[in-house]
Amino acid sequence: AQSVTQLGSHVSVSEGALVLLRCNYSSSVPPYLFWYVQYPNQGLQLLLKYTSAATLVKGINGFEAEFKKSETSFHLTKPSAHMSDAAEYFCAVRPRSGYTGFQKLVFGTGTRLLVSP
Amino acid sequence: DTAVSQTPKYLVTQMGNDKSIKCEQNLGHDTMYWYKQDSKKFLKIMFSYNNKELIINETVPNRFSPKSPDKAHLNLHINSLELGDSAVYFCASSQDWPGRYNEQFFGPGTRLTVL
Repeated sequence: AQSVTQLGSHVSVSEGALVLLRCNYSSSVPPYLFWYVQYPNQGLQLLLKYTSAATLVKGINGFEAEFKKSETSFHLTKPSAHMSDAAEYFCAVRPRSGYTGFQKLVFGTGTRLLVSP
Repeated sequence: DTAVSQTPKYLVTQMGNDKSIKCEQNLGHDTMYWYKQDSKKFLKIMFSYNNKELIINETVPNRFSPKSPDKAHLNLHINSLELGDSAVYFCASSQDWPGRYNEQFFGPGTRLTVL
């Protein structure tokens, strides 16, 4: 079964510092990969997705992620953190097959990003 | 023009009661989902419906019964509520194209508190 691991339940950075949130997946076939953000008391919003076109994926709010097959990773980065980036971030994986209908989206355990002034 | 909406946003009730949460999407999607987010923020799928048919049914107590009257609506009814049912419940929707990544859009969540 597909799974995804997020290292670090909490990541603290200073405003203006680099943000790096880690995500590793387990799958023999590279799956579809997603990063979602959840702001306090809100639903999940898609930040970006990897669908096999480009390995470096740019998302909203200045975030990007790089798919590395050799490392089975899809880490999320942002060059300069802003106070408004403080939120919970979820990596998710969905199997890739000839027909991906009815396939579950499996979430990691989430990483809370804390940004200090 | 909310894409995926849920009602109510907050639900506080006593153990043993029966309650329902409603979800509607105006995106024209054919697949809808219910997720449960526990106090540690862990998200787990409960159910999924495609064109009003149940396609994913995780190991969920049969006190939970989803109902999809049409493609745009997926409701969740919970009988005999227990303390452990306290969580945030999210509805989501997607358009299921074969061979595609089928991005899911999430509602704002319903925070259920069982006393």
